[in-house]
Amino acid sequence: DQQVKQNSPSLSVQEGRISILNCDYTNSMFDYFLWYKKYPAEGPTFLISISSIKDKNEDGRFTVFLNKSAKHLSLHIVPSQPGDSAVYFCAATLPTGTASKLTFGTGTRLQVTL
Amino acid sequence: GAVVSQHPSRVICKSGTSVKIECRSLDFQATTMFWYRQFPKKSLMLMATSNEGSKATYEQGVEKDKFLINHASLTLSTLTVTSAHPEDSSFYICSAPKDRKTQYFGPGTRLLVL
Repeated sequence: DQQVKQNSPSLSVQEGRISILNCDYTNSMFDYFLWYKKYPAEGPTFLISISSIKDKNEDGRFTVFLNKSAKHLSLHIVPSQPGDSAVYFCAATLPTGTASKLTFGTGTRLQVTL
Repeated sequence: GAVVSQHPSRVICKSGTSVKIECRSLDFQATTMFWYRQFPKKSLMLMATSNEGSKATYEQGVEKDKFLINHASLTLSTLTVTSAHPEDSSFYICSAPKDRKTQYFGPGTRLLVL
């Protein structure tokens, strides 16, 4: 049962434009959502997170939006840069059980073209 | 800079030997750390949760006698692959939560068993 889903396996965006990466979830108990960027043969790099009681969090070029009623979140990258080309994972945590145990989506490969 | 380190970054060993991988949180304490394994072209697979002061908890299907975990201090967890075989060759990654909304991953360790 995939509780966190990234339905777009890949996305191509032109440099300078906005990249929008989407993530859906099924468990309404998730309390934090985190976004990571990953290059091949490297560990994921933490980008930004959002609490389930918020609907927006912004950090530099990265903004995460949360629509709790739709169980949907998105990561916006503006402006997109070639170095942003990587696989992006969204992840979620539950407030019970092992705190901070991440449930990952399957990832979206972002390609930023010149 | 990196907030979670792993050592070694890559290791080659003979079949039947044991290999120890270290995971350190560099500027924060982590009572819990997580160990993952990544198969080629696949997402991260959670292997176990490392708990400071208590036994590790393993995910279903992960042999605890094969993958020994020791959370030696609030900044160090080790994963020992015992009696390694070629099928244990993989990319191993650890993570450490700094707080509820921030979790950092190490750079990963590439293990090759000959």
